[in-house]
Amino acid sequence: NAGVMQNPRHLVRRRGQEARLRCSPVKGHSHVYWYRQLPEEGLKFMVYLQKENIIDESGMPKERFSAEFPKEGPSILRIQQVVRGDSAAYFCASSPDRNSYGYTFGSGTRLTVV
Amino acid sequence: DQQVKQNSPSLSVQEGRISILNCDYTNSMFDYFLWYKKYPAEGPTFLISISSIKDKNEDGRFTVFLNKSAKHLSLHIVPSQPGDSAVYFCAAYSGGGADGLTFGKGTHLIIQP
Repeated sequence: NAGVMQNPRHLVRRRGQEARLRCSPVKGHSHVYWYRQLPEEGLKFMVYLQKENIIDESGMPKERFSAEFPKEGPSILRIQQVVRGDSAAYFCASSPDRNSYGYTFGSGTRLTVV
Repeated sequence: DQQVKQNSPSLSVQEGRISILNCDYTNSMFDYFLWYKKYPAEGPTFLISISSIKDKNEDGRFTVFLNKSAKHLSLHIVPSQPGDSAVYFCAAYSGGGADGLTFGKGTHLIIQP
């Protein structure tokens, strides 16, 4: 009964490189959310996806960030040309439907940009 | 603009006593509120929630109170146990807004033996 699986747990990238963060939702969950937590801050909503569709990306930075949730495989959060300010913990959560707000979070990916 | 505020970064409570964590919000469109608990290096874990049509919801040692007129909610934990030591996040959802939750910055609860 695996929960939300995120990998890698820790990711170090040099400025200008690309970061790919993966999230496998709870089995049977088709709704995925990505959140970012900067140091000393709360979690900030980034994007909400269902299988093959982006439903709400109002929290995503307009440039360099993209997300997908393909029919097969995990959801991917992609950050191109990373900068130091992208260093944060990125959490993925999943739910069985749109109205289940107490969703299940993964343990996060800690991205460090050097 | 912080729409969900947790003004106490930390709170220390003796084991066995009541822990009260507070949360204020500014957006009157929020209609659903949640509390999450987070241990270091782990993701947040859902604890308890309350709809805006209620003023109280209870689950075991955890009770959430909502005062809509004051735009204030609180989480009561009684009795407090050592395993309750964690960071607690208040979160809110607006049915007419973005699909994500709006989180506060968290309160670090420390239970003293």
